[in-house]
Amino acid sequence: DTEVTQTPKHLVMGMTNKKSLKCEQHMGHRAMYWYKQKAKKPPELMFVYSYEKLSINESVPSRFSPECPNSSLLNLHLHALQPEDSALYLCASSLIRLGYTGELFFGEGSRLTVL
Amino acid sequence: RKEVEQDPGPFNVPEGATVAFNCTYSNSASQSFFWYRQDCRKEPKLLMSVYSSGNEDGRFTAQLNRASQYISLLIRDSKLSDSATYLCVANYNFNKFYFGSGTKLNVKP
Repeated sequence: DTEVTQTPKHLVMGMTNKKSLKCEQHMGHRAMYWYKQKAKKPPELMFVYSYEKLSINESVPSRFSPECPNSSLLNLHLHALQPEDSALYLCASSLIRLGYTGELFFGEGSRLTVL
Repeated sequence: RKEVEQDPGPFNVPEGATVAFNCTYSNSASQSFFWYRQDCRKEPKLLMSVYSSGNEDGRFTAQLNRASQYISLLIRDSKLSDSATYLCVANYNFNKFYFGSGTKLNVKP
């Protein structure tokens, strides 16, 4: 069983809706990530938070808004999405030590459908 | 040029076969490497970290060749349950993990 928990597992939303994806981990990892994965493609990095600060934004459209309220939680706020945004959204976390980043631990993902 | 390149396959092998996947990475500053396994419609799961000295876990052996910038995964005595997509991952620049496109393995009875 994964130690990274994502909710909801499935989400259907219209293009005018506002919704949020949530992610939680209690492994003490101080790096948290959002990835987007389309069918038959590898995960594509969206955002990275290190020590609760946004450290990487891979030029993601502003209709995706990440938030890291504390070291255990990561949210992805969704607004005015397009049908092409339909995908599996994966949250991950990793350990950070001086000069070293541990492997990624993934949640089960939130499968998003935009109508 | 992609940061991490893999042969997408599919590799179709009979049960009991030995199969090897290779992966190349473009950034010589890459610090750590991993193989992940992903089943259809599931999240990627860590299979192995990859070390310069090579490492083995049961039927799985991973190797890293920094001089040639490639990573390999060897699976011996393939099982039906090994059927999945195998993702090669390189990490550098602290928190950037680059994924290869994945190699699909089908193990047939």
